[in-house]
Amino acid sequence: GDSVTQMEGPVTLSEEAFLTINCTYTATGYPSLFWYVQYPGEGLQLLLKATKADDKGSNKGFEATYRKETTSFHLEKGSVQVSDSAVYFCALFGSSNTGKLIFGQGTTLQVKP
Amino acid sequence: EPEVTQTPSHQVTQMGQEVILRCVPISNHLYFYWYRQILGQKVEFLVSFYNNEISEKSEIFDDQFSVERPDGSNFTLKIRSTKLEDSAMYFCASKRTGPNTGELFFGEGSRLTVL
Repeated sequence: GDSVTQMEGPVTLSEEAFLTINCTYTATGYPSLFWYVQYPGEGLQLLLKATKADDKGSNKGFEATYRKETTSFHLEKGSVQVSDSAVYFCALFGSSNTGKLIFGQGTTLQVKP
Repeated sequence: EPEVTQTPSHQVTQMGQEVILRCVPISNHLYFYWYRQILGQKVEFLVSFYNNEISEKSEIFDDQFSVERPDGSNFTLKIRSTKLEDSAMYFCASKRTGPNTGELFFGEGSRLTVL
């Protein structure tokens, strides 16, 4: 079945460091891919998305490229800030055609000043 | 900016009690969802709802759970007889286009604590 695997956290970085959070997926066809962010005590917010192979989603300095050949959608940011501390979830639309999102297990990012 | 709103933000209940969690999706959205997140764990799909009926449900969504869209604006999740393991954050989500296009908009969540 469809699934999403993210790198284990927590990831602890110093401010201005480069961030990569790995995400790989298993799915039928070529589903839309998403990164959601959950700040402490808050709900899920869409960070970025990509709907087809080689698309690059970007927002707030974060980027991720839909790689069909490696079934990956890794999240990157060139220079993280303390305010980026949050839990990041990679997700895809399931193949059941109901709009169901399937989430990875989440990766906690902690950025220290 | 339109948003999905959920009430209550936090509910504490005794095991065996019925709980209703309420959601007001974005007004022109047609597809509705409930997810849950047990503390520190992944976000899990519970149920999807379209055209006044369930379109998909997970194995978590057993006979103790039900959903309803009673009045064209609210979307509710009822747990008939709560168990300790139902303690979680419950998120409502909606989307306008579908089924596998567009994006889901999530509410802030309702935290359920079962004692």
